[in-house]
Amino acid sequence: DQQVKQNSPSLSVQEGRISILNCDYTNSMFDYFLWYKKYPAEGPTFLISISSIKDKNEDGRFTVFLNKSAKHLSLHIVPSQPGDSAVYFCAASARNSGGSNYKLTFGKGTLLTVNP
Amino acid sequence: DAGVIQSPRHEVTEMGQEVTLRCKPISGHNSLFWYRQTMMRGLELLIYFNNNVPIDDSGMPEDRFSAKMPNASFSTLKIQPSEPRDSAVYFCASRGGSSYNEQFFGPGTRLTVL
Repeated sequence: DQQVKQNSPSLSVQEGRISILNCDYTNSMFDYFLWYKKYPAEGPTFLISISSIKDKNEDGRFTVFLNKSAKHLSLHIVPSQPGDSAVYFCAASARNSGGSNYKLTFGKGTLLTVNP
Repeated sequence: DAGVIQSPRHEVTEMGQEVTLRCKPISGHNSLFWYRQTMMRGLELLIYFNNNVPIDDSGMPEDRFSAKMPNASFSTLKIQPSEPRDSAVYFCASRGGSSYNEQFFGPGTRLTVL
């Protein structure tokens, strides 16, 4: 049972336009969400995160939106650049009984291609 | 800052052989994670250490897999005996310091079992 779903395996966007990557989750206990970016032959690198007490977090060209009622989050990249071409993973965590958020559940990723 | 270091980067072995993957976490980080990435299942957590102690090994597939963290700067993931279905990319990640919710990943080890 996939608790974090990225339903679009790939997305192609023109340079300068907006990229919107989507993620849905089923576990209502998730309270912290992260996006990671992965280039070929490298490990995932942290991009941006959001706590469930917020509905938006912005960092430069990257903004993450969280809709708790819909159990949906999205990553917006504006403007998109060719160097943004990578696989983007959505991840979620829930606080365990000890108060720790250590376990990340990942989606399967979306390959973003930004065309010059 | 060197980041998380993993070795080897690539490993090709034959079925039945023992495989040992190595990881050096970021200095000062007190949490270490081993993940496996496959096409079918994506990124899965295998085991989590906190302060060198295994906290959650529920993701370890079976007894053929074992992991150790003898000190704060070194961890191993061992597969004995290896099988073709173990072929995957294995990532080590560490966490700690001020960015406590974010895990920092190594470059991964691509394992191929023939």
